[in-house]
Amino acid sequence: EAGVVQSPRYKIIEKKQPVAFWCNPISGHNTLYWYLQNLGQGPELLIRYENEEAVDDSQLPKDRFSAERLKGVDSTLKIQPAELGDSAVYLCASSADSGAYEQYFGPGTRLTVT
Amino acid sequence: QKEVEQNSGPLSVPEGAIASLNCTYSDRVSQSFFWYRQYSGKSPELIMSIYSNGDKEDGRFTAQLNKASQYVSLLIRDSQPSDSATYLCAVFYNQGGKLIFGQGTELSVKP
Repeated sequence: EAGVVQSPRYKIIEKKQPVAFWCNPISGHNTLYWYLQNLGQGPELLIRYENEEAVDDSQLPKDRFSAERLKGVDSTLKIQPAELGDSAVYLCASSADSGAYEQYFGPGTRLTVT
Repeated sequence: QKEVEQNSGPLSVPEGAIASLNCTYSDRVSQSFFWYRQYSGKSPELIMSIYSNGDKEDGRFTAQLNKASQYVSLLIRDSQPSDSATYLCAVFYNQGGKLIFGQGTELSVKP
């Protein structure tokens, strides 16, 4: 069974530029998560999707971050414009359903903003 | 009090020893607990889940849960250098319906 797929793996951009990350969850997983992980910290939830619906985006900085999950499968997370403080690893995870189910992570995208 | 607390380490153990990783959490009604392993430069990998008080064993790994004390631990028996990684404790908080991670404990197993 294929795991969670993310691209790109690495991205270097200048501040004020836009950037987008893509995620394909494990087949059949209805719930998709985007997390942010800073060095030395655990992942922090940005947004959770159940199928196409964003059910928890309370931690997403909506002035510059946006996300979508069209057709309830793939998802894209966008930052526009990027700031220096956005440098981090962006992780996508999926689970069979919402709730206290096991979540499986993709390889992540390491973003560096210069 | 942080929602999920772990000692950041590093915890250093000799090869073959038992490594003990600890985690406390603040939500008294949490029911689901997870341990993730994260190698340097890699993403978190789920290695154990535990939902009931007591011990759960999987190979060299044993997760222990004590809900009354709000404490969950991970024991690694016969530690190997390949176990050197950061171990993340994660607790599912019913209020808000989200998984909260600790900051992780770095484990170093010395040959």
